[in-house]
Amino acid sequence: AQSVTQLGSHVSVSEGALVLLRCNYSSSVPPYLFWYVQYPNQGLQLLLKYTTGATLVKGINGFEAEFKKSETSFHLTKPSAHMSDAAEYFCAVNGGTSYGKLTFGQGTILTVHP
Amino acid sequence: DARVTQTPRHKVTEMGQEVTMRCQPILGHNTVFWYRQTMMQGLELLAYFRNRAPLDDSGMPKDRFSAEMPDATLATLKIQPSEPRDSAVYFCASGPTTGGEETQYFGPGTRLLVL
Repeated sequence: AQSVTQLGSHVSVSEGALVLLRCNYSSSVPPYLFWYVQYPNQGLQLLLKYTTGATLVKGINGFEAEFKKSETSFHLTKPSAHMSDAAEYFCAVNGGTSYGKLTFGQGTILTVHP
Repeated sequence: DARVTQTPRHKVTEMGQEVTMRCQPILGHNTVFWYRQTMMQGLELLAYFRNRAPLDDSGMPKDRFSAEMPDATLATLKIQPSEPRDSAVYFCASGPTTGGEETQYFGPGTRLLVL
């Protein structure tokens, strides 16, 4: 079985501040991990993903995430928040139980204050 | 820029009516997913197909929901009869042949309101 827990349904930061969105996963096999972003009234789009290799993964819009197997975590960070980063962020895992089938976390709404 | 398209974008209907949602996956993608998003339940996988064959529809209420792929360019999700609790945003996503690491590409969604 696979599962994802996103800590904090709402995160609020000031423009220019560090963004940290937390994700912990459970998987019985080495996982593939994803972060998706959803802007208002839109579908989800991929920010970044970890499959194999380097554990620090860089994505679009200055985001990055680090896969830490020992902590079963895949936290998303961005050094300096921008107003346009305001959106909902979803962590997802594919633990190999069904190829292509993702399990999504509940989402974290990021608010960026001027 | 290839995209997943969904129609209609918005649908308001009355309880008991049939609702059909359509999705055109990205050309060449052979895996199609249907998701439902609500405030209470978040993002739920309803069904998915590979090469037009259903692989898993365990997330779908069988008595009223049905999903099909009549051809490689069209996926449909039907609700008959619809109920107010079906009000949600329904997303279609497509992806290439999966080993698990492939990206899913989401459509813009169909926002359904059942009165």
